[in-house]
Amino acid sequence: RKEVEQDPGPFNVPEGATVAFNCTYSNSASQSFFWYRQDCRKEPKLLMSVYSSGNEDGRFTAQLNRASQYISLLIRDSKLSDSATYLCVVNIRRFQKLVFGTGTRLLVSP
Amino acid sequence: DTEVTQTPKHLVMGMTNKKSLKCEQHMGHRAMYWYKQKAKKPPELMFVYSYEKLSINESVPSRFSPECPNSSLLNLHLHALQPEDSALYLCASSLVDSPNQPQHFGDGTRLSIL
Repeated sequence: RKEVEQDPGPFNVPEGATVAFNCTYSNSASQSFFWYRQDCRKEPKLLMSVYSSGNEDGRFTAQLNRASQYISLLIRDSKLSDSATYLCVVNIRRFQKLVFGTGTRLLVSP
Repeated sequence: DTEVTQTPKHLVMGMTNKKSLKCEQHMGHRAMYWYKQKAKKPPELMFVYSYEKLSINESVPSRFSPECPNSSLLNLHLHALQPEDSALYLCASSLVDSPNQPQHFGDGTRLSIL
């Protein structure tokens, strides 16, 4: 079983739609959780950290469920510019080893 | 614009060449990283430097040699690479070596081995 698993998609949604991605992780000792986005042939960019109580940043909401070992990302009112690959990232070891999921591809169409 | 700067943006080299990739950040970050990313795959960690000392080497072949001359710079020296080493090489940094600190990536060097 992979340490971090995501549905690769693609998720095809119209502008204005709400879309949610889940990510599961296998190591219960995981300490920190992040969502990154990566555009085609570009570097990963931090979208948001994920906190135990859940957190929101504009149209984006992240949730963490430690009991079930998954994190989620909700995007409301999708924009064309949201089209990208969303990487679920988990920090497992004290030495800052980030483990990346394979990413979920989102395509927002007009 | 990214605050982690990588040069060159693109590099084509033969299997017998020696070249170096460079990474620079001026955010005062004390942890720096090298990743390798193949097409349609997630980044894979290669090396971690914490306070200019190598703290993690993910069993990377010796044809890749990292160097951290000071807290702002990170190099990756390349020698006798193989075609399968063609990939996007990403540098990242974080404030300190802490599991709660997110990493910030440079825009990468796209490497092609002939």
